[in-house]
Amino acid sequence: GQQLNQSPQSMFIQEGEDVSMNCTSSSIFNTWLWYKQDPGEGPVLLIALYKAGELTSNGRLTAQFGITRKDSFLNISASIPSDVGIYFCAGPNSLNDYKLSFGAGTTVTVRA
Amino acid sequence: NAGVTQTPKFQVLKTGQSMTLQCAQDMNHEYMSWYRQDPGMGLRLIHYSVGAGITDQGEVPNGYNVSRSTTEDFPLRLLSAAPSQTSVYFCASGRDPPNTEAFFGQGTRLTVV
Repeated sequence: GQQLNQSPQSMFIQEGEDVSMNCTSSSIFNTWLWYKQDPGEGPVLLIALYKAGELTSNGRLTAQFGITRKDSFLNISASIPSDVGIYFCAGPNSLNDYKLSFGAGTTVTVRA
Repeated sequence: NAGVTQTPKFQVLKTGQSMTLQCAQDMNHEYMSWYRQDPGMGLRLIHYSVGAGITDQGEVPNGYNVSRSTTEDFPLRLLSAAPSQTSVYFCASGRDPPNTEAFFGQGTRLTVV
């Protein structure tokens, strides 16, 4: 599969903060997916993006499909404790492909 | 509304033992897949299927077998377990391209000793 690089690898959040993370690829993607994984659970789809430049929100989460089609961004506004978890970006390997490649994830932890 | 159901949730195997991880979905998706998750490595595709009777290898297929006799079920078989197969395994089902969204089960945590 194609390599997706997520940044940062981990972050600490304080309640009320806005945080952001991104995902980049050396190849063009036609779809970007953002998942969240809680401890002991499977990943859950947060947002799906299908068009370059698209900006989509899901509650306090906003994701953007980069204009170059090689990156995507996820923002969390007004963090709350239940935002902790691992956030993954993913995308299909090619336009008509079922198979998804995943980034290594961004681990979000609450700052004590 | 069950979605994707995996069993068991936890399993301990001895090296050399075989076992089958079960996966069932009730969303009538043609696409199903198995991933393994290891620390710091994200999700890696083991095997996938685009419909009953059709399976193919993913990124890390060695040591695993699959079959797809029905749309609903996609079991993963470990033929002879090795410590390197200690991992968390996720089954997913998904829509057809280009809306290639995958929906995951809760995972099976496997330890091989």
